[in-house]
Amino acid sequence: QKEVEQNSGPLSVPEGAIASLNCTYSDRVSQSFFWYRQYSGKSPELIMSIYSNGDKEDGRFTAQLNKASQYVSLLIRDSQPSDSATYLCAVNMDRGSTLGRLYFGRGTQLTVWP
Amino acid sequence: GAVVSQHPSWVICKSGTSVKIECRSLDFQATTMFWYRQFPKQSLMLMATSNEGSKATYEQGVEKDKFLINHASLTLSTLTVTSAHPEDSSFYICSAQTGTGNTIYFGEGSWLTVV
Repeated sequence: QKEVEQNSGPLSVPEGAIASLNCTYSDRVSQSFFWYRQYSGKSPELIMSIYSNGDKEDGRFTAQLNKASQYVSLLIRDSQPSDSATYLCAVNMDRGSTLGRLYFGRGTQLTVWP
Repeated sequence: GAVVSQHPSWVICKSGTSVKIECRSLDFQATTMFWYRQFPKQSLMLMATSNEGSKATYEQGVEKDKFLINHASLTLSTLTVTSAHPEDSSFYICSAQTGTGNTIYFGEGSWLTVV
């Protein structure tokens, strides 16, 4: 059973704070990990991708991956009200070329209040 | 602008009828596309992998005779929900993988309501 688990929240942080989102996955062979942001009624938007253990930073966003612990996280620094959305963790659990075959977590609803 | 287009954005159909949703890659060739379904307040559930020129690969529990997928060209995949019922009402989203396999683009999604 291929599973991706997220704390569904909701997570509420004040503007300017750090929001921390966590995700665990079941399949040890997983190689590709993604964080998506989804606004209500809309399609998901890619925030970050990460493939190697460690941290990857892109502006206010930092993704962290620990394959030994089967854990991936997303930190949002200096959170803004516009960051309020549902954040989806997605994992590709296939070897080979079907990168787009993704398994999603249930999402964490983030609210950033002014 | 969008690089993967879905049509229609929303559709209402009567129970028992069939409805087709199109997914087009606009400026790249996509040998592989994916179809997802999302119920309210749930996550995206992968339904099937659509391969150009061959049969789709369905995820466990997805009825291939009910959700017909055709990927007749490198830029178009279609999902047909046959004999739709109210429980099929959902948000259907496609994604397309670039030919190099390095990038995935999601369509805008299609809302299906079966009455």
